[in-house]
Amino acid sequence: SQQGEEDPQALSIQEGENATMNCSYKTSINNLQWYRQNSGRGLVHLILIRSNEREKHSGRLRVTLDTSKKSSSLLITASRAADTASYFCATDSGTALIFGKGTTLSVSS
Amino acid sequence: GAGVSQTPSNKVTEKGKYVELRCDPISGHTALYWYRQSLGQGPEFLIYFQGTGAADDSGLPNDRFFAVRPEGSVSTLKIQRTERGDSAVYLCASSLTGGQTQYFGPGTRLLVL
Repeated sequence: SQQGEEDPQALSIQEGENATMNCSYKTSINNLQWYRQNSGRGLVHLILIRSNEREKHSGRLRVTLDTSKKSSSLLITASRAADTASYFCATDSGTALIFGKGTTLSVSS
Repeated sequence: GAGVSQTPSNKVTEKGKYVELRCDPISGHTALYWYRQSLGQGPEFLIYFQGTGAADDSGLPNDRFFAVRPEGSVSTLKIQRTERGDSAVYLCASSLTGGQTQYFGPGTRLLVL
C-alpha cells in the first residue's frame, strides 16, 4: 500500500522558474525523504527531514514539513532542464519507506 | 563498490518459470531493502533485512516470493512460478543501519511473458 500522495501528479514549467511539489501522508513518521527518479530506474536521494524539523535546505532544494497537517513540500528554485524527472516523497516509519505515486516534473528550455 | 548494484539489469522469462534477482549493497551497510515498482507507481516495500535476518517481510505479496541474505551482504530475491503480474522493476536499497538514508540500486526490470 502507498501512504504518501504527491500533488500535482504532473508539472510543466520553463527553465528558471520555481517548482513546488506537495506530499501528504497518513500515519506518524520518524522522518520524510524526497527522491528523484529518471527514466523509471534508480532513485536518487535528495533530502531527509526529521519529524522534529520544520524546514531544510540543500542547494536549490527547500523542504518543509508540517507534522500537524501531515504534509511536506519540495521547492526547486531556478529550475533547469536537467531537473526533469519524477519526484517521490517517502515516509520512514523505522523499517520500510512508504512512497507516494510521485510528481512528474518537466522543465523546458 | 561505490554504490548498490543489481543484476541482471533486465530479465525476460516465461510464465511459470523461476527467477533470481541479485543485490550487492554498499559495503558496510547492515540494512538491505527490496522494493517493487510498477509502471506509473511509486516503489512498494517488499522486505527488509538487518544483517542476515529478515526484520520485516510484511510486503512480500505471497509465498511465491522469498529473499535471502545468508552472509549479511549480498541478497537474492527469488520468485517461483512467475506470473505476468510480477512484471515490474525490482529495486534494492541499502543503508548504514535501519532508519538511515536508503541508497538505491538501478533496479532489475522483470518481464514475464
